[in-house]
Amino acid sequence: GAGVSQSPSNKVTEKGKDVELRCDPISGHTALYWYRQSLGQGLEFLIYFQGNSAPDKSGLPSDRFSAERTGGSVSTLTIQRTQQEDSAVYLCASSLDQGGETQYFGPGTRLLVL
Amino acid sequence: GENVEQHPSTLSVQEGDSAVIKCTYSDSASNYFPWYKQELGKGPQLIIDIRSNVGEKKDQRIAVTLNKTAKHFSLHITETQPEDSAVYFCAARGGRGSTLGRLYFGRGTQLTVWP
Repeated sequence: GAGVSQSPSNKVTEKGKDVELRCDPISGHTALYWYRQSLGQGLEFLIYFQGNSAPDKSGLPSDRFSAERTGGSVSTLTIQRTQQEDSAVYLCASSLDQGGETQYFGPGTRLLVL
Repeated sequence: GENVEQHPSTLSVQEGDSAVIKCTYSDSASNYFPWYKQELGKGPQLIIDIRSNVGEKKDQRIAVTLNKTAKHFSLHITETQPEDSAVYFCAARGGRGSTLGRLYFGRGTQLTVWP
């Protein structure tokens, strides 16, 4: 079956521009997570959505980062006024529900801010 | 919240040898411990997991052990092959309150298997 998909796979932007990253979770999965992975680093939690509950935004590094999830499915991570330090791989994962243990990851979006 | 430490950060082994990666966690309420393998340019893929009511789990050449008392768990890969070369991440699932459901990841181990 279809896994988690993300688009675009690569994104190059200029400092100061806004970018939108998209995640399509596995069908039926109610929990969705965003992580950031900088070069050679581990996975930094950003935000997670569980059903219709308020998202856990505790990992967002600044107010330039925001995310939404429409209709309980597709999610968009938006970075406003991008900075060079935002360059990283942005990974999305989904799980069956909050109690669902296994998180399935997408291939990631590689963001480069020039 | 939970804090997961992973060692070593890099590991090189000869093909056919065993590889062991160790992780510790801080929250005794954590109850689920997955291991992910990430190949270059790809997202992490789950390779094995263990729950807190089990001490060991095996899947072919891969095994995971869990010591709840000491709060550490380990990944063992036997008869390593060059295709095992990748970055491996351990994680612990938060077990209480606001951490419930979140995975806390170690910083990763770059495993290189030399032919």
